Amino acid sequence: EAQVTQNPRYLITVTGKKLTVTCSQNMNHEYMSWYRQDPGLGLRQIYYSMNVEVTDKGDVPEGYKVSRKEKRNFPLILESPSPNQTSLYFCASSFRQALGGYTFGSGTRLTVV
Amino acid sequence: GDSVTQMEGPVTLSEEAFLTINCTYTATGYPSLFWYVQYPGEGLQLLLKATKADDKGSNKGFEATYRKETTSFHLEKGSVQVSDSAVYFCALSALGDGYNKLIFGAGTRLAVHP
Repeated sequence: EAQVTQNPRYLITVTGKKLTVTCSQNMNHEYMSWYRQDPGLGLRQIYYSMNVEVTDKGDVPEGYKVSRKEKRNFPLILESPSPNQTSLYFCASSFRQALGGYTFGSGTRLTVV
Repeated sequence: GDSVTQMEGPVTLSEEAFLTINCTYTATGYPSLFWYVQYPGEGLQLLLKATKADDKGSNKGFEATYRKETTSFHLEKGSVQVSDSAVYFCALSALGDGYNKLIFGAGTRLAVHP
């Protein structure tokens, strides 16, 4: 089944403790992206990647890192999480032109206390 | 810059009522337009899309027409069901750096009661 898989689904952590949210897709998509979803703000792009070893900042990159060492994986890293990063996170992927839209993962609900 | 504006929710309807969720956009060029749906506890799923002016996207009884003259892409359904309760996102695809970036509206929550 074609899908984007994120883990974990839920995560509660403390301020400053490094964490990684994994994302993997099995559709051979070139393009992958991370979004955060906050009430009243819709989805805002954090980082994106157009292919292996090619990443760039989205609209709200502060406090996040990503890497793209393999085509299928695009982990999101929070080196020192803070409470304002409490949010619902989605990974998405597509072929480069995205004319058919994106395929989204099921989401990771992160709480930083 | 490019942007999408959706009507604020929540929208509360009785089963079998008519649904309209308004969406307008601002964009340079000729974007593709999308509606995504998010059911409780799930990720976003593509509901329908339109790639050029006057195109009508449709799926599962939902429809939306790409209106370039009014820069709108309103979502409609003739008779909603309880199972349609979800958050609906309007989005446009903007060309940037050789790829198409999706820009989302804030989302509209729909609650349908029996």
